[in-house]
Amino acid sequence: GAGVSQTPSNKVTEKGKYVELRCDPISGHTALYWYRQSLGQGPEFLIYFQGTGAADDSGLPNDRFFAVRPEGSVSTLKIQRTERGDSAVYLCASSLTGTGGAGYTFGSGTRLTVV
Amino acid sequence: GNSVTQMEGPVTLSEEAFLTINCTYTATGYPSLFWYVQYPGEGLQLLLKATKADDKGSNKGFEATYRKETTSFHLEKGSVQVSDSAVYFCALRGGGAQKLVFGQGTRLTINP
Repeated sequence: GAGVSQTPSNKVTEKGKYVELRCDPISGHTALYWYRQSLGQGPEFLIYFQGTGAADDSGLPNDRFFAVRPEGSVSTLKIQRTERGDSAVYLCASSLTGTGGAGYTFGSGTRLTVV
Repeated sequence: GNSVTQMEGPVTLSEEAFLTINCTYTATGYPSLFWYVQYPGEGLQLLLKATKADDKGSNKGFEATYRKETTSFHLEKGSVQVSDSAVYFCALRGGGAQKLVFGQGTRLTINP
């Protein structure tokens, strides 16, 4: 597609429930990133995929968070047993390669609210 | 670890004023530096970047120079417009890692 697409744009869920957030990167982009942005803060890194594999998952806050990218394109961020503190905007980005000089293209994000 | 510190906001200016948003960083090695902008209701967009010391990134009248001696990457614009109202984020990517490290953001409001 022309840009990075994230669905849903908004998600409200009850505490304790399971949620999945989807990211469809720009076609041909091998690198995919997930970030979390809390209100009034800059985005915080969660996980980076190069192709199908998670090359760096050091930002995942705990084992309730998991992400996959089985075919090297679409990625799904999965959150189990959601907590109110998980409420944030979850951003996905992609880049042509993982090289350091390139910028990313970000999606518009999924706003997750845990009530 | 790597970190970015941005000038605290919010910043409010009149149209045609001169803008500076300060950004300093801590990093190992030679990071690449970026400014991203988030317009109201929109996603993060890359505004400009610089990949080595003394490089100047520029776009839409904005400029920032990679200063290794002062570990800074301040954003400047000579004459701001109402349409520049947005949140601006300084970020770095380096130390062999592929992730971006962001500052906390600076909200800019330009009044006509």
